Amino acid sequence: DAGITQSPRHKVTETGTPVTLRCHQTENHRYMYWYRQDPGHGLRLIHYSYGVKDTDKGEVSDGYSVSRSKTEDFLLTLESATSSQTSVYFCAIRGTGEAFFGQGTRLTVV
Amino acid sequence: KQEVTQIPAALSVPEGENLVLNCSFTDSAIYNLQWFRQDPGKGLTSLLLIQSSQREQTSGRLNASLDKSSGRSTLYIAASQPGDSATYLCAVRPRDSSYKLIFGSGTRLLVRP
Repeated sequence: DAGITQSPRHKVTETGTPVTLRCHQTENHRYMYWYRQDPGHGLRLIHYSYGVKDTDKGEVSDGYSVSRSKTEDFLLTLESATSSQTSVYFCAIRGTGEAFFGQGTRLTVV
Repeated sequence: KQEVTQIPAALSVPEGENLVLNCSFTDSAIYNLQWFRQDPGKGLTSLLLIQSSQREQTSGRLNASLDKSSGRSTLYIAASQPGDSATYLCAVRPRDSSYKLIFGSGTRLLVRP
């Protein structure tokens, strides 16, 4: 497995609370991504990073923010969780070619 | 806007059959195309990466081809096994937004013993 660790793996949270998901890599890859996967929508890009402190929005970024203060860590924050953000969240990393994915975080917002 | 389509959405075959999964994309200006496998409740596992200059890549019983001009890629699985049952996704990295991976919706494969 590529060296990607997502934490937590499962989380249940209440509507309106902030939530932070963490992605940690040991590959020193430049690019890091956050996707969400939902039935009927496939994988959708939330945010991505192309270096330390360099991030940009994907196609479904509303309600999410990210930070990357170190090469190895990419954090995804749901500022005020809503039920529509119940999903499986995947982190991915990429160097110059192949992309690798983490095992996912299943988030339930109740 | 690049769009990636995978047809069929689901496929059921008997064990031992050779099979082909299809991936089509609308814009041929890509850096590469990558095939992934996803088991239920798991993350995506990279299977094969084909650069835009390549026609095919092979790994064990898997062979992926790329025809940029027609916007198509196929994943060939030889002598299928029940352990091949999973969802297979393809993704392209477009030249006009090279940081992105654009995914198809996947083909759910069931190999029956």
